[in-house]
Parts: sequence; C-alpha cells; structure tokens
Amino acid sequence: EGQLVQSGAEVKKPGESLKISCKGSGYRFTSYWIGWVRQMPGKGLEWMGIIYPGDSDTRYSPSFQGQVTISADKSISTAYLQWSSLKTSDTAMYYCVRRGDYYCFDYWGQGTLVTVSS
Amino acid sequence: QSALTQPASVSGSPGQSITISCTGTSSDVGGYNYVSWYQQHPGKAPKLMIYAVSNRPSGVSNRFSGSKSGNTASLTISGLQAEDEADYYCSSYTSSNTLGVFGGGTKLTVL
Repeated sequence: EGQLVQSGAEVKKPGESLKISCKGSGYRFTSYWIGWVRQMPGKGLEWMGIIYPGDSDTRYSPSFQGQVTISADKSISTAYLQWSSLKTSDTAMYYCVRRGDYYCFDYWGQGTLVTVSS
Repeated sequence: QSALTQPASVSGSPGQSITISCTGTSSDVGGYNYVSWYQQHPGKAPKLMIYAVSNRPSGVSNRFSGSKSGNTASLTISGLQAEDEADYYCSSYTSSNTLGVFGGGTKLTVL
C-alpha cells in the first residue's frame, strides 16, 4: 500500500520563503503525477499544480502560476512546493496527492498547515 | 467559482439514502468517465470514495455508489450512518487542463 507523507506545520512571517515536502513510498514514485492542493480555512479544494517526477514535467493552475514553484527529487521520492515570498493570504492547509489510474487521486498526504502572520 | 457545481449542503436521517449532485459540462463530467468523489472529515485529509464514475476502491463501503447522466454525476449514500457526516467533493478530468477540476464541496449532515 502506497502512501504520501508530508513535512510538518510551518509558521512564517510575510515575505519569508518556504519549501514543504511530500515523500512517496510503497509504489514507483516516478510513474505517477503528484499534485498540490490548497484548502484555505473553511473553504474547498483548489488545484495548484502537478508534476511528473519521472521527467519533472510540471503544470500550474493559472491562479498559482508565478506564485509558487513545484519540483521533485526522484532520487529520494520527494516532491516539493515552495514560495519565495509568503503572503498572509497563503495561510492554508496544503495537500499533496497522487494521481492514479482513471484520473482519480488515490493517495493523499496528511496535509501541511502553513500559517503566515506578522 | 468552482468549475463543478455541487449543492452546499444536504441532510438525512440515519438509515435513509441521500444523493449529492455534481454538474459540469461536456468538456469535463459529460465528456469523460473520469469522475471521482472524496470524503473529508473535519481536520482530516480527503479520502477517495468513488473513481471512474461508479467504482469503489477496496475498503470503501458498498453503501456508497456513483452514477452519471449527461453532464451531471451523482454520489448516493444508502443506509446513512452518523460516521458519514462529512464534506464531499467531486472531481473530473477536463479537456481544459491537465490538473482536473473540483466541485465546491457539499456538507452532509446526519440528523
């Protein structure tokens, strides 16, 4: 049984940088797309972007293009989501997900809570 | 605004059946059999409940079923139980992008 394990909660100040991680195990990490999903407090799920670790092909939602960077290190089966300059509006829970067969999202990380406050 | 439309809330009593709808377009729900449904309890990560319109992953109760007609997909929960109280999200492949689209979510209350 595969799983995704994310890095722990973060508390940051506006303007700071941040990189959170998502480590896959129990399956061939390079063969499945890994996506990042934002969930703001009390709100629904929003796609941020997706990466294919096999060749690092990356696609972004228009809303997040230029705002975040998605990357992956296939040697350690880990995907990343990073910000160069956080805003208070980035406060949210962030989930990584595996896109399995039939375009469903079968594995979800436990989530990383990012709090940005001065 | 979410690309797929779901009712904000539905409710039902224990033992009853409820249905949650998910309406899209011919570019997503109506055009492909790649609709999936997710259950999210408060403070928890979403969990896959239905994939490819009507298939249940191993371990998901057969009280959960999915269907599709035209541009609208549906999730039906029969024999409602208290533990079913959660938020439910639909998702679909879309020809518009690689990521897919989510519905806005539906809060299920078990009375």
